Amino acid sequence: KNQVEQSPQSLIILEGKNCTLQCNYTVSPFSNLRWYKQDTGRGPVSLTIMTFSENTKSNGRYTATLDADTKQSSLHITASQLSDSASYICVVGPTGTASKLTFGTGTRLQVTL
Amino acid sequence: DVKVTQSSRYLVKRTGEKVFLECVQDMDHENMFWYRQDPGLGLRLIYFSYDVKMKEKGDIPEGYSVSREKKERFSLILESASTNQTSMYLCASSYIGMGNYGYTFGSGTRLTVV
Repeated sequence: KNQVEQSPQSLIILEGKNCTLQCNYTVSPFSNLRWYKQDTGRGPVSLTIMTFSENTKSNGRYTATLDADTKQSSLHITASQLSDSASYICVVGPTGTASKLTFGTGTRLQVTL
Repeated sequence: DVKVTQSSRYLVKRTGEKVFLECVQDMDHENMFWYRQDPGLGLRLIYFSYDVKMKEKGDIPEGYSVSREKKERFSLILESASTNQTSMYLCASSYIGMGNYGYTFGSGTRLTVV
């Protein structure tokens, strides 16, 4: 069964600090991995998308890494800001049909003063 | 920027009512999707459509139906709303092929069934 597991479930950090969120997956066949940011009560917004041939991708202060051999990805947030407080969702897509994305349950990040 | 617009942010409906959730996208995407999102469960696919008048069941279609009469509009219908359908509903759209690039979500509709 295809699965995406994220850790930690929740995280509290001080503003200005860095943090790393983890994503492990067992989706096969694998095509791409995405990270989304979801503010409370809003829809997810794409941060990065990587194919199996890419091992890092950045979007401003967000850097995603992918190790397709170990089936692990991480999202690193640098110099966190209060506006980074949100849920971060890892999504893995197999080759082929668009309907088969597998979603993690997300990491809830809270950035405090 | 691609826009996926859901008609309502919040809805409160009574048990047994027929409920329509509307979604419109403006980028000529072929694929459209309806998900529900519940705490601890992640997003679960209800239905999707890859063309006008075409629809496919997702993982949890029971109690729902959909309609796609025009390419840009995809409607989710709760035939007889029940309290266990209280949830956040998210619409998404994407291009066919291209490794599913351009997968974009709407802002969500928080539905409460009382």
